[in-house]
Amino acid sequence: ETGVTQTPRHLVMGMTNKKSLKCEQHLGHNAMYWYKQSAKKPLELMFVYNFKEQTENNSVPSRFSPECPNSSHLFLHLHTLQPEDSALYLCASSQEGVGGEQYFGPGTRLTVT
Amino acid sequence: RKEVEQDPGPFNVPEGATVAFNCTYSNSASQSFFWYRQDCRKEPKLLMSVYSSGNEDGRFTAQLNRASQYISLLIRDSKLSDSATYLCVVGRGNKLTFGTGTQLKVEL
Repeated sequence: ETGVTQTPRHLVMGMTNKKSLKCEQHLGHNAMYWYKQSAKKPLELMFVYNFKEQTENNSVPSRFSPECPNSSHLFLHLHTLQPEDSALYLCASSQEGVGGEQYFGPGTRLTVT
Repeated sequence: RKEVEQDPGPFNVPEGATVAFNCTYSNSASQSFFWYRQDCRKEPKLLMSVYSSGNEDGRFTAQLNRASQYISLLIRDSKLSDSATYLCVVGRGNKLTFGTGTQLKVEL
């Protein structure tokens, strides 16, 4: 299935590194999301973009910086992360106004050392 | 109180069994309701939307009780391939809130 793709699939980075996660959706949707999933915790919504505009920032630390250049692409720029930021980062997309069903990419498994 | 509460399980059931999962949510203004399935180390995948009238998709039946703020999922004739974590999801606009999931293990 290639509706929502994410790269890289795995990432190991040091606390002083800068890296970016990329998400692309091929579903013609106009809303995109970043979620964080840590072990034994529910998915946590981080950011929401509707028609390229950020409409939700769920009190995410500034070391996570999203970018949405168009309705099909979403980035998450990472810098000076902490070990507790290690998690699965999931991108999702949906069609605004259509029942809220969201479709997820395979995720990037991030380890901060 | 968690916004979406589920029994984490695991539910260990034999193949062919019927199993039911329940979920409660706290926000009475919630507008949309779903069950997602998540396999180990994979992304969540939409299983089905849930409506007040109830809906069925093959072996899966979902029910919503808005008055009690309660959602259920019934799986009949369980298959080994049904083994996964089932996530109860509640939405308002395009903001979804996920439960921690209920783990199901179907055994021979």
